[in-house]
Amino acid sequence: AQSVTQLGSHVSVSEGALVLLRCNYSSSVPPYLFWYVQYPNQGLQLLLKYTSAATLVKGINGFEAEFKKSETSFHLTKPSAHMSDAAEYFCAVSVNGGSQGNLIFGKGTKLSVKP
Amino acid sequence: DTEVTQTPKHLVMGMTNKKSLKCEQHMGHRAMYWYKQKAKKPPELMFVYSYEKLSINESVPSRFSPECPNSSLLNLHLHALQPEDSALYLCASSQGYRTEQPQHFGDGTRLSIL
Repeated sequence: AQSVTQLGSHVSVSEGALVLLRCNYSSSVPPYLFWYVQYPNQGLQLLLKYTSAATLVKGINGFEAEFKKSETSFHLTKPSAHMSDAAEYFCAVSVNGGSQGNLIFGKGTKLSVKP
Repeated sequence: DTEVTQTPKHLVMGMTNKKSLKCEQHMGHRAMYWYKQKAKKPPELMFVYSYEKLSINESVPSRFSPECPNSSLLNLHLHALQPEDSALYLCASSQGYRTEQPQHFGDGTRLSIL
C-alpha cells in the first residue's frame, strides 16, 4: 500500500531563512508525487509535481523539490522564506495501477515564518 | 484566482434541511472529485466522477448524494446531515482520471451543521 509521511507537523523559520519541509513516501511501484499549499480559508494549490521526467522539480513561488529514489524522499525547499509562505503544506502520492488516480496525502506541515 | 469555482463559500444548515453544493470548471477536465476536510487534517476523498460517471464512492453515507449533470458541473446534495459533517468540502478536477495528472482544487464550501 502507498503512504506518505511528512516529518514535522509544524515548522517555524525566520524570514529569509531556508525552508525545508520533509516528505517520505512508500510505494512498491514508481510514484507520482505532488506538493500542495493551502492558505487559510482557501483550497489546495499545486506547487509542483514529479512525474519521472527530472528528479529536481521547480515549482511556483520559488519552491523546488528533489526526488531521491534511494531515500524514498521528496523534500520541498525554498532558499529564502517570505512572510507570505506561511501556510499548510501537503505532500501527496499517486501511483500507477489500472486507472487509479487517487491522491494519498500526508498529514500536512504548517509553516510559520517569523519576521 | 482558482479555475475551479465552488458555491456557496459558506453554508449553515440544520439537520433536517436539504441543500446542495455546486462546483464548476471550464478547463475541459473529465475527472471531478469531492473531498471532505476537517480542521488541521488532509482532505479525505469522498467521490470521483470520470467522464460524468461515478467511478469511486469511498463508503460515504447516503445523506451525501453526488451528481454530475455534465462535464463542467458537479453537485453534492445534502440531506439530514449530522453535526460531525461540519467541515470544508473541496471540489477538484483533473484532465483525466490518471495518476500523473494533477488535481486542481476550488476554494471549498465551509459547511456548518447546527
